[in-house]
Amino acid sequence: DAGITQSPRHKVTETGTPVTLRCHQTENHRYMYWYRQDPGHGLRLIHYSYGVKDTDKGEVSDGYSVSRSKTEDFLLTLESATSSQTSVYFCAIGLAGVSDTQYFGPGTRLTVL
Amino acid sequence: KNQVEQSPQSLIILEGKNCTLQCNYTVSPFSNLRWYKQDTGRGPVSLTIMTFSENTKSNGRYTATLDADTKQSSLHITASQLSDSASYICVVSAQSGNTPLVFGKGTRLSVIA
Repeated sequence: DAGITQSPRHKVTETGTPVTLRCHQTENHRYMYWYRQDPGHGLRLIHYSYGVKDTDKGEVSDGYSVSRSKTEDFLLTLESATSSQTSVYFCAIGLAGVSDTQYFGPGTRLTVL
Repeated sequence: KNQVEQSPQSLIILEGKNCTLQCNYTVSPFSNLRWYKQDTGRGPVSLTIMTFSENTKSNGRYTATLDADTKQSSLHITASQLSDSASYICVVSAQSGNTPLVFGKGTRLSVIA
């Protein structure tokens, strides 16, 4: 998985609780992304980062926030988890812009009860 | 609206047989097109990338074609193996716009003995 780890790999939580997912890379890639993948949908971009402290919204950013204080770490936070946020979350990294090849992590399966 | 449509949704073939997966897109202005392979429980892995000027690109038993005029791409798998069982995702990049990457929903391929 191209030097990308995600933690936790599985999480079950309750509605209304905050949740933070971590993505860690050892490739020193500038770009990092958070996606969610749901049955019947393609991968959908939540947020992405183009450098330390530089982030931007994707197509499904409502209810999510991100932070990137170091090149290697990109955090995704669900401030108050809802059942609609039950999904598999993938982190990806890339050297150049959004249209460049992205390398995906192993995913985090999140269940919100 | 930028869209990527893949067909079929799912496919079952016998080991050793060939198959072709289709991808039609309406993304504009077009930058490039990628095919990813996603094994169950894993993140997607890039197979090929094609730009506007490329018609065919091969990666081992995988051959991708692109017709930029009709906005169609195909992924041909030769002499299928059990390990080819996976989802295959077509991803089209736009040169600009709010949605620079558009993901198809994927084709689920099952290769059986």
